Amino acid sequence: GAVVSQHPSRVICKSGTSVKIECRSLDFQATTMFWYRQFPKQSLMLMATSNEGSKATYEQGVEKDKFLINHASLTLSTLTVTSAHPEDSSFYICSAGQGHTEAFFGQGTRLTVV
Amino acid sequence: GQNIDQPTEMTATEGAIVQINCTYQTSGFNGLFWYQQHAGEAPTFLSYNVLDGLEEKGRFSSFLSRSKGYSYLLLKELQMKDSASYLCAVRDRDYQLIWGAGTKLIIKP
Repeated sequence: GAVVSQHPSRVICKSGTSVKIECRSLDFQATTMFWYRQFPKQSLMLMATSNEGSKATYEQGVEKDKFLINHASLTLSTLTVTSAHPEDSSFYICSAGQGHTEAFFGQGTRLTVV
Repeated sequence: GQNIDQPTEMTATEGAIVQINCTYQTSGFNGLFWYQQHAGEAPTFLSYNVLDGLEEKGRFSSFLSRSKGYSYLLLKELQMKDSASYLCAVRDRDYQLIWGAGTKLIIKP
């Protein structure tokens, strides 16, 4: 099946700094990728839809200036958490679909802001 | 509004069978997915149903009834490694995935 690679898997950063998370589709072209956040013992929450070559579509309540998304190519989308704070500590997951049948997830990134 | 309901937690015995139910009310329907998620890991795809009926894949089967807005995931010959959360998700008419909160499955020896 299709493979989505996400990097890094874990990151610890200081409050006020920025962190970039990469999501790559390894064996297919993904015109659309999705970024999710998951807090402990909760389900996935869609943050934004990343569209190749255009602006991302953010869900209500997600600050677009804080969570910068860039989808510069058909195989790479990045999520940058700017001026991170401890409350941004979470599990961030990207996914990409191939056609309309399946969605494949990256490995996830555990972000801890100290 | 859109809603996916599934039980919060279930317990079953190793070697037994368990059925995890999912009911949904969404704006349109373009398929239902089941994912397995172990603690601290990303979800992994288990099954996809878009037509009514049963899809069997080894020890796991998934059933869909679109008229009832209902699906279940059936796990047979349970193993300890099946202890995980099972997420039901529906793709709505805009092809957006609507997620259930997940069912934590606990397997006991």
